[in-house]
Amino acid sequence: DTAVSQTPKYLVTQMGNDKSIKCEQNLGHDTMYWYKQDSKKFLKIMFSYNNKELIINETVPNRFSPKSPDKAHLNLHINSLELGDSAVYFCASSLEGARDYGYTFGSGTRLTVV
Amino acid sequence: GQSLEQPSEVTAVEGAIVQMNCTYQTSGFYGLSWYQQHDGGAPTFLSYNALDGLEETGRFSSFLSRSDSYGYLLLQELQMKDSASYFCAVRRNDKIIFGKGTRLHILP
Repeated sequence: DTAVSQTPKYLVTQMGNDKSIKCEQNLGHDTMYWYKQDSKKFLKIMFSYNNKELIINETVPNRFSPKSPDKAHLNLHINSLELGDSAVYFCASSLEGARDYGYTFGSGTRLTVV
Repeated sequence: GQSLEQPSEVTAVEGAIVQMNCTYQTSGFYGLSWYQQHDGGAPTFLSYNALDGLEETGRFSSFLSRSDSYGYLLLQELQMKDSASYFCAVRRNDKIIFGKGTRLHILP
């Protein structure tokens, strides 16, 4: 199936731990993103990569570090997890061009920090 | 700065028509997109308007007025499965910024 897939779907961890979320897309898109959706459902962009190059780095604590080994993968590593990091994290991808064909989102990773 | 305003909730009756509005303020505006998100699901792309006017896709239509910095999503022949959150999103030259979404409740 062509899609954006991210793993794991659920992640429960203790404060202070380090965790990673993986994302892969097989759509041939050249740009990938990480979005954070809080409990009020606000979707906020965190990072954007185009062909393995970081192009957007919003005001995100440097405990969050994205890594893109190739244009089909964008992983998110989080150090020293805090309670406020609890949210749903969505990976997305898009094809750049004159028209917006929309972002394709992964199914999300629900992170709970306890 | 940039901001998008959407009503937080709208309620409509099955079979009816509903309009969900979005006003925006941003620099570098390219166009307005709409996404649907069911509870526990991922946002899915519905439509995109770069130019003024109405775009129709089946039961869904989206409208943009660039001079008024305003758009709306129109859903016709509402079905229970349309119960979801609907986000407008401003496309800038570098990224998409999402509004806080409108929760659509549908009554039988």
